[in-house]
Amino acid sequence: DSGVTQTPKHLITATGQRVTLRCSPRSGDLSVYWYQQSLDQGLQFLIHYYNGEERAKGNILERFSAQQFPDLHSELNLSSLELGDSALYFCASSGGDRARGYTFGSGTRLTVV
Amino acid sequence: SQQGEEDPQALSIQEGENATMNCSYKTSINNLQWYRQNSGRGLVHLILIRSNEREKHSGRLRVTLDTSKKSSSLLITASRAADTASYFCAHSTLGGGGNKLTFGTGTQLKVEL
Repeated sequence: DSGVTQTPKHLITATGQRVTLRCSPRSGDLSVYWYQQSLDQGLQFLIHYYNGEERAKGNILERFSAQQFPDLHSELNLSSLELGDSALYFCASSGGDRARGYTFGSGTRLTVV
Repeated sequence: SQQGEEDPQALSIQEGENATMNCSYKTSINNLQWYRQNSGRGLVHLILIRSNEREKHSGRLRVTLDTSKKSSSLLITASRAADTASYFCAHSTLGGGGNKLTFGTGTQLKVEL
């Protein structure tokens, strides 16, 4: 157990639907990052939150949004889903010790049918 | 794309041999990190090397960094079957108050008995 918890582990949904992925960071970590991993695009950085504030944005589609709550958990909302959104979505967290790098959760596997 | 590239894409060796993976990137970096991913699971941080460092060791891992060539290498000595996994380099850049970790394309390592 890495200390980063992601739910659900698997999600199967239809095109056009909306889903919410949830992440609880490692205890004490203020930063949360979201990544998308697919076979054709590899690991793509989506967004970074620090203590509730958005700090950096990557290749995140307008149909996707995220937030970090006061208790530091984060949610990634994916709407108007398309087949191409099928991927593994990872959450990672980091704290003050930069040498530790990021701690990743086990991911949510999203399948859009 | 700012995504790094890794070479080789796949590597198959015998147990006890050394494995070397190379990584290239395109931008100025704050640090470079290596991660390991077992099939379909979360990434695990292995080692971080800062931009002002040239070499770092951790157990059977040795990482080098050449910022003039924008490249890094990961050496795993005396490999074991349990080292079979995908290995990713990731370079860290700072900007706009946020931290962005950009992953390479990965090297699939298979260590055979």
